[in-house]
Amino acid sequence: AQSVTQLDSQVPVFEEAPVELRCNYSSSVSVYLFWYVQYPNQGLQLLLKYLSGSTLVKGINGFEAEFNKSQTSFHLRKPSVHISDTAEYFCAVSRGGGADGLTFGKGTHLIIQP
Amino acid sequence: DVKVTQSSRYLVKRTGEKVFLECVQDMDHENMFWYRQDPGLGLRLIYFSYDVKMKEKGDIPEGYSVSREKKERFSLILESASTNQTSMYLCASSLRQGKAFFGQGTRLTVV
Repeated sequence: AQSVTQLDSQVPVFEEAPVELRCNYSSSVSVYLFWYVQYPNQGLQLLLKYLSGSTLVKGINGFEAEFNKSQTSFHLRKPSVHISDTAEYFCAVSRGGGADGLTFGKGTHLIIQP
Repeated sequence: DVKVTQSSRYLVKRTGEKVFLECVQDMDHENMFWYRQDPGLGLRLIYFSYDVKMKEKGDIPEGYSVSREKKERFSLILESASTNQTSMYLCASSLRQGKAFFGQGTRLTVV
């Protein structure tokens, strides 16, 4: 079975500062990894995904993540955040081959301070 | 543009009622999913379906059932709603191993 741990439930950061949201996973099989963002009162939107290939994945809105197999991590980063990045961020891992749904972490609330 | 539509944004039901949550996707996706989202718990998979009339249990299927009579429609059924089923319910669809598209969610309150 897969599991996902998001180490921080809340991350406050000043506008234009860099941010890293941490995600660790456990799985006995090869996985696909995802980061989703949920803005207030909206559904989830895919930020980026890792299926195979390069371990550095670039996503939308200036976000990127690095897959580290030895550390079973998939941390999300942005070099300079904006007020509009305030949202809940979810790390997820595929169940089985990817058609079986996703196992999500509990989420990290990114709070941007002016 | 890709669309997953959930029939209601907000729903209030009484304990013991039978509740139907409907989800429709217009992308001809094979896979459809129902999650519930609770504060501090993230999203948890209730049921999923990879084909018409096929269904599989997710992590928390107890108290729920599903129906997929047509490829584009996936219904979540609460046979007898209880207060601990008060939650945000999110429907999603995807191609095999592909990106999942989510609906806007249905906030269900059981009183």
